Amino acid sequence: GEDVEQSLFLSVREGDSSVINCTYTDSSSTYLYWYKQEPGAGLQLLTYIFSNMDMKQDQRLTVLLNKKDKHLSLRIADTQTGDSAIYFCALGRAGNNRKLIWGLGTSLAVNP
Amino acid sequence: DTAVSQTPKYLVTQMGNDKSIKCEQNLGHDTMYWYKQDSKKFLKIMFSYNNKELIINETVPNRFSPKSPDKAHLNLHINSLELGDSAVYFCASSQDGVDYEQYFGPGTRLTVT
Repeated sequence: GEDVEQSLFLSVREGDSSVINCTYTDSSSTYLYWYKQEPGAGLQLLTYIFSNMDMKQDQRLTVLLNKKDKHLSLRIADTQTGDSAIYFCALGRAGNNRKLIWGLGTSLAVNP
Repeated sequence: DTAVSQTPKYLVTQMGNDKSIKCEQNLGHDTMYWYKQDSKKFLKIMFSYNNKELIINETVPNRFSPKSPDKAHLNLHINSLELGDSAVYFCASSQDGVDYEQYFGPGTRLTVT
């Protein structure tokens, strides 16, 4: 079956880098997403990567995809207190009725 | 401009009541979703409609009935509310195409007392 796993909590100091990890079982995923949920708000797409890519960089964000190990990571450089949120990994693939498979979310706490 | 909107934002009601949550998207998307997020922040898909047709119906009690009057609206009606229905309900939408990016509404916090 389809499964996406994330560690539930991560705590970092302001200015450090944060690395949020996601492992999955479905190797046919086409798009791999990172969504951010700030307290009391809905989810917002942060970044995504196609399955034919290994890395994507977008300002302070770096997404790494290791298809062999079925491992996706999100690195946030120079983490700020405003980055405190829950980060969800989600996978999409063709023929799945547009359904995304969601991780349980990693709660990132940034300490000053 | 609000892309995906939900009403109400907060809903407090007693067990046994019937309530509805409304969702509208002005993005021109073809597919709309309802998600439930529990107190541990776990996100679970409930329903999905594509052009007013139900395409995803996860294991959800029959007390929950989605209705899509047109492709810009997807409402959720809940009968005989139970304590376990307390959660945040998110509506989302996506466009048919090669990716599956979903746009989320702000959520409706339902509290059943």
